[in-house]
Amino acid sequence: GAGVSQSPSNKVTEKGKDVELRCDPISGHTALYWYRQSLGQGLEFLIYFQGNSAPDKSGLPSDRFSAERTGGSVSTLTIQRTQQEDSAVYLCASSLATNEQFFGPGTRLTVL
Amino acid sequence: AQSVTQLGSHVSVSEGALVLLRCNYSSSVPPYLFWYVQYPNQGLQLLLKYTSAATLVKGINGFEAEFKKSETSFHLTKPSAHMSDAAEYFCAVRGDNAGGTSYGKLTFGQGTILTVHP
Repeated sequence: GAGVSQSPSNKVTEKGKDVELRCDPISGHTALYWYRQSLGQGLEFLIYFQGNSAPDKSGLPSDRFSAERTGGSVSTLTIQRTQQEDSAVYLCASSLATNEQFFGPGTRLTVL
Repeated sequence: AQSVTQLGSHVSVSEGALVLLRCNYSSSVPPYLFWYVQYPNQGLQLLLKYTSAATLVKGINGFEAEFKKSETSFHLTKPSAHMSDAAEYFCAVRGDNAGGTSYGKLTFGQGTILTVHP
């Protein structure tokens, strides 16, 4: 597709379960970013990929959060043992090198 | 380190009135600055960006912003509001630390919800 896509668009899970969120960046974009948007914290940076490497993981809130990127394309954000405070919209963005970031529509995660 | 402050979490204007959304930044390096708009249940869309060229930046949908280094500001304006401008607006700064790992990462303000009254 022409833009960044994310799946699922909505995810409801029970506390303690693991979830995987997927991001398909724009073809050819080397940089990929994950952000989290929540009512209390606004928009927060989570992790940055350049190719398949993650030189900046400084925004991951705990070791329950991890992310990987394969083939310089698709990225998966995994949250283990989800907690209610993980409820948020998770946004993915991609860019050519570090130019303008194009955002996906987000995945709304609700932890019951 | 970079930071962004947006003054006013909510701004309300009448249709046809001037829109002014305020943004002040803090950056230890010359900043790249951005304004994004978010419509309900959608991702962020870039309105405009400042990348150290012209200080007055024109964007989409009639919006523009002026970079003022002395005031560390990057306020967003539009001469005449339209109902379709109602959305949440985010100011962001990108810190370009050459060779640093935060290159490209955006730091956002808290957002300003714009309401347009008929």
